[in-house]
Amino acid sequence: QITLKESGPTLVKPTQTLTLTCTFSGFSLSTSGVGVGWIRQPPGKALECLALIYWNDDKHYSPSLKSRLTITKDTSKNQVVLTMTNMDPVDTATYYCAHRGVTIFGVVSYYFDYWGQGTLVTVSS
Amino acid sequence: QSALTQPASVSGSPGQSITISCTGTSSDVGGYNHVSWYQQHPGKAPKLMIYDVTNRPSGVSNRFSGSKSGNTASLTISGLQAEDEADYYCSSYTSSITLDVFGTGTKVTVL
Repeated sequence: QITLKESGPTLVKPTQTLTLTCTFSGFSLSTSGVGVGWIRQPPGKALECLALIYWNDDKHYSPSLKSRLTITKDTSKNQVVLTMTNMDPVDTATYYCAHRGVTIFGVVSYYFDYWGQGTLVTVSS
Repeated sequence: QSALTQPASVSGSPGQSITISCTGTSSDVGGYNHVSWYQQHPGKAPKLMIYDVTNRPSGVSNRFSGSKSGNTASLTISGLQAEDEADYYCSSYTSSITLDVFGTGTKVTVL
C-alpha cells in the first residue's frame, strides 16, 4: 500500500525559505522508473507542478520557479525534500507530494497515481 | 508554459452524460498520449481517474472515459451521479518543460 505524507511549517514569513518533507511508504525511490513530484494549489485555484525527482536523481523543475526550487531525495529515509527560497504571499497554497510509478511495460509513467493529503502553507508577516 | 484550457464549469442532471474538454498544443496534448485526468473533491487530494488518454486505474468506475482528437482531450462521465460533483483537472506531459502541465480546472455540478 503506497502512502505519502507532507510535513513542514504551516506559516512562513515573506523572504524566508520553505522546506517541505514528503515521507512515503510502500515503494522505494531506488526502484528503476519511480519518481516523486511536488504539486501546489493556491486557494481556489488550479494545480501547478513544481518539481519531480526520479530514482536515478534526474530532476525536473517548473521553469518559472526553477531559480527558487531544490528537490532532493533520501532513499534510506524514504523521503523527498523540497526547498523554496524567497517566499512571497502569492506562494500561499496547499502543497502536495505524489508518486509516479512504472507502467506495466516497465517504463516511466507520466501521471501521479498516489497523492499525499497535502499541507497548507501560508506566507504572511 | 501555459496551463491547458478547460471550461470553468459543466453541469448535468443525474443519469446524463457530460464531457469536459482540455485544449493544449502540439507540444503537449497533441504531441503525446500522456494525458491524465484527476478528480478533486473539496478539501481533498486529487485522485487519478484516467491516464494515458484512455486508461482507467483499477477501482475507477467505467462511467469515466477519456479520448483525444488533435490538441484537445476529453473526459466523459456517463450516468452522472451526485458523487461525481467535484473539480476535474487534466494534465499532460509537455516536451517544452519535461514536466506535467495541468489544466485550468472544471467544476462539475450535478443538478
